[in-house]
Amino acid sequence: EVQLVESGGGLVQPGGSLRLPCVASGFTFSTHWMGWVRQAPGKGLEWVANIKYDGSDKYYVESVKGRFTISRDNAKNSLYLHMNGLRVEDTAVYYCARQSTVTRSAFDVWGQGTVVTVS
Amino acid sequence: DIQMTQSPSSLSASVGDRVTITCRASQSVGSYLNWYQQKPGKAPKLLIYAASTLQSGVPSRFSGGGSGTDFTLTISSLEAEDFATYYCQQAYSISFGGGTKVEIK
Repeated sequence: EVQLVESGGGLVQPGGSLRLPCVASGFTFSTHWMGWVRQAPGKGLEWVANIKYDGSDKYYVESVKGRFTISRDNAKNSLYLHMNGLRVEDTAVYYCARQSTVTRSAFDVWGQGTVVTVS
Repeated sequence: DIQMTQSPSSLSASVGDRVTITCRASQSVGSYLNWYQQKPGKAPKLLIYAASTLQSGVPSRFSGGGSGTDFTLTISSLEAEDFATYYCQQAYSISFGGGTKVEIK
């Protein structure tokens, strides 16, 4: 079964840090671009960051540049989001998502999400 | 940045109704447009990619159209399981529309 499982969420004070891991299974992780998408309480979806299959290219939404870092370890089938300088407005459910190889732009597999609360 | 505007933001419909949701991009995204369905407390699910291609396993009552800046998602005959929030996503530089909540009339 193709699966993504996030963890690492929790309550953190403004200015604090968190690392969100996402473990993939059921597919060849090293051939897919991967990304993080977040959803603030009662709000819509917001793309946060994504990373090329080999880790050589990384992209971020403007609001997290310089504070968040996306990374991956293909040997461990794992994706990470390192979050520093957290702000109240970063409070959200954070989803790990796989980008399709058919059309790289589409997120075709999603994790269940992990909740980050900054307060 | 490319802004995505969905309309309406919400709608009420009955089982069996035909429903159309519109998504407009602030500049052309070609056919790089995807649609997702999200139910409360759940992760989004990919419905349509490249503007009009149905993702595997998605019922054929869903269809997508458009190119450039104007796109549509149509549900030909609404079923009870379709009541959810729908999002468009431009894949040119990745951003989502604000969502359309489809509620039961």
